[in-house]
Amino acid sequence: QVQLVESGGGLVKPGGSLRLSCAASGFTFSDYYMSWIRQAPGKGLEWISYISNSGSIMYYADSVKGRFTISRDNAKNSLYLQMNSLRAEDTAVYYCARARIPDGWGQGTLVTVSS
Amino acid sequence: DIVMTQSPDSLAVSLGERATINCKSSQSVLYSSNNKNYLAWYQQKPGQPPKLLISWASTRESGVPDRFSGSGSGTDFTLTISSLQAEDVAVYYCQQYYSTPPYTFGQGTKLEIK
Repeated sequence: QVQLVESGGGLVKPGGSLRLSCAASGFTFSDYYMSWIRQAPGKGLEWISYISNSGSIMYYADSVKGRFTISRDNAKNSLYLQMNSLRAEDTAVYYCARARIPDGWGQGTLVTVSS
Repeated sequence: DIVMTQSPDSLAVSLGERATINCKSSQSVLYSSNNKNYLAWYQQKPGQPPKLLISWASTRESGVPDRFSGSGSGTDFTLTISSLQAEDVAVYYCQQYYSTPPYTFGQGTKLEIK
């Protein structure tokens, strides 16, 4: 079955950087688009990025464009999100999800941006 | 960007009764070339990640109970739970995935037992 495990979250100061990772198993990773979706504490879901199965196509929400970079390593069955110039409003649980219509989700990793 | 608006924000329904959640998009998410609505519904229980219930506006995912159904087309969509069970208490979200991103979500509807 689909298993997605995020890591790399934590506490970071405004302006800082973090790199999130997502380890995938239970399916052929290289066959699927992958997405990152976040959820601020007590708030709704926000789609932030996806990447094509080959890694050649990437899209970002305006709220993160120019600051976040999505990437993948199909040989390692891993998805990444490099987050730079972090702001307080980036505080959220970040979910890794399979496909453009996410049909499998990780448990999420909490990113807290605070001084 | 396409704005998704759900109604109501919260809903309390008695066990065994019908629950109806609405989702409206700011522009049509019906793709005329294939006559498909690019609309999904998710369920999120407390402390858990979301779960995909329905895609293409009305196609239930494998394993989703048939008391869940999706309907609508164009800009107006509905998620119906025909007979509410205790385990259906959750927040429900719609999401459009029409054309190029961003693939926006509705604000969520919190469903509780009356």
